[in-house]
Amino acid sequence: ELKVEQNPLFLSMQEGKNYTIYCNYSTTSDRLYWYRQDPGKSLESLFVLLSNGAVKQEGRLMASLDTKARLSTLHITAAVHDLSATYFCAVDTPHDYKLSFGAGTTVTVRA
Amino acid sequence: DTGVSQNPRHKITKRGQNVTFRCDPISEHNRLYWYRQTLGQGPEFLTYFQNEAQLEKSRLLSDRFSAERPKGSFSTLEIQRTEQGDSAMYLCASSFPHRGLPNTGELFFGEGSRLTVL
Repeated sequence: ELKVEQNPLFLSMQEGKNYTIYCNYSTTSDRLYWYRQDPGKSLESLFVLLSNGAVKQEGRLMASLDTKARLSTLHITAAVHDLSATYFCAVDTPHDYKLSFGAGTTVTVRA
Repeated sequence: DTGVSQNPRHKITKRGQNVTFRCDPISEHNRLYWYRQTLGQGPEFLTYFQNEAQLEKSRLLSDRFSAERPKGSFSTLEIQRTEQGDSAMYLCASSFPHRGLPNTGELFFGEGSRLTVL
């Protein structure tokens, strides 16, 4: 059974500083996804990473995928309050056609 | 709005009652998924359809749960004889545009239907 682990589960960020969220998974996969969820809301797609070495950037967020290490990172540059949310990574195993999610990282950005 | 639509958004029911949720996917998507999310957890897969065929069901989906997608468009998720442990957010997602477009596997989620069982 595919396991997806995120750490940390809770992250208190100071505005203006840089942080990284890690996502490890237990079985071979070339496809990994990052989503954002605001309280009481649904999941918003942030990044789709479809191959080893893939790197995507949007604003202050950058995601990368190392399929050999079974690791993805979500890097936050110069955190701002608007980034407070819960971030989930999800993995798609070959021929499985469904995503398995991590437990999420709840981010709070303080002044 | 051409996104995934779910209703009702909130449902409060008493233990033992039946509830039904509806999901309208993005119109050009032929895969439809149901997930369940409890507080502080990531979404857990329940079941998915390709067109009208239900291709996989999680062991989380007990015999009190049934999902249908009769014409390959909207889907319903029914929970019979609800229990307090069924309280959760039920999320619907769709994916896989056809007509030759590439399948990235990305799921597009609706706003969810929150169930509270008293």
